[in-house]
Amino acid sequence: NAGVMQNPRHLVRRRGQEARLRCSPMKGHSHVYWYRQLPEEGLKFMVYLQKENIIDESGMPKERFSAEFPKEGPSILRIQQVVRGDSAAYFCASSLFRTGDYEQYFGPGTRLTVT
Amino acid sequence: LAKTTQPISMDSYEGQEVNITCSHNNIATNDYITWYQQFPSQGPRFIIQGYKTKVTNEVASLFIPADRKSSTLSLPRVSLSDTAVYYCLVGDVRDDKIIFGKGTRLHILP
Repeated sequence: NAGVMQNPRHLVRRRGQEARLRCSPMKGHSHVYWYRQLPEEGLKFMVYLQKENIIDESGMPKERFSAEFPKEGPSILRIQQVVRGDSAAYFCASSLFRTGDYEQYFGPGTRLTVT
Repeated sequence: LAKTTQPISMDSYEGQEVNITCSHNNIATNDYITWYQQFPSQGPRFIIQGYKTKVTNEVASLFIPADRKSSTLSLPRVSLSDTAVYYCLVGDVRDDKIIFGKGTRLHILP
């Protein structure tokens, strides 16, 4: 039973380019969360999605960032016109239920480097 | 969400029992206490969760006093592979998102 999959594991982009990060949740999980982690910091919540719906995007920057979780396929976190400050590790997590036990299963992360 | 305070870092030796204490003075009635572990270059992993008294699983124990204003994660007989960052989280499990602090960097020495 595969865990949460993220790809790519490492992504290098020049300033102004677009970054697309993919997340495949655990089998049977329909709740996906994206977090960002800066070096030496804890994870910061960005967005929570269910299939085809954004439930909570309170942690997502208003500009350049978007997320989707289509009916088929992985969840995508998209960063347009990347800047150096976007360099971070981006983690995706999934859960079976929306509420109940606070237990989310995390993927290995995508490390984005903006040059 | 209740704010948590935990040590920034701790060192211990292989074979020792390690206790990491987390303070959460403003914990609310509906809040649970959850601990996550994060190894370098990996995503966090759920360790244990509790509401009051004591919870034990195959990985750790969680001690919560009656007033619930603090909690202690206990790792029995640590090994080098337990070197990681440990996050104490307090919140209503009905919330959608988890709020992570900076965690405790535990370094196990040989």
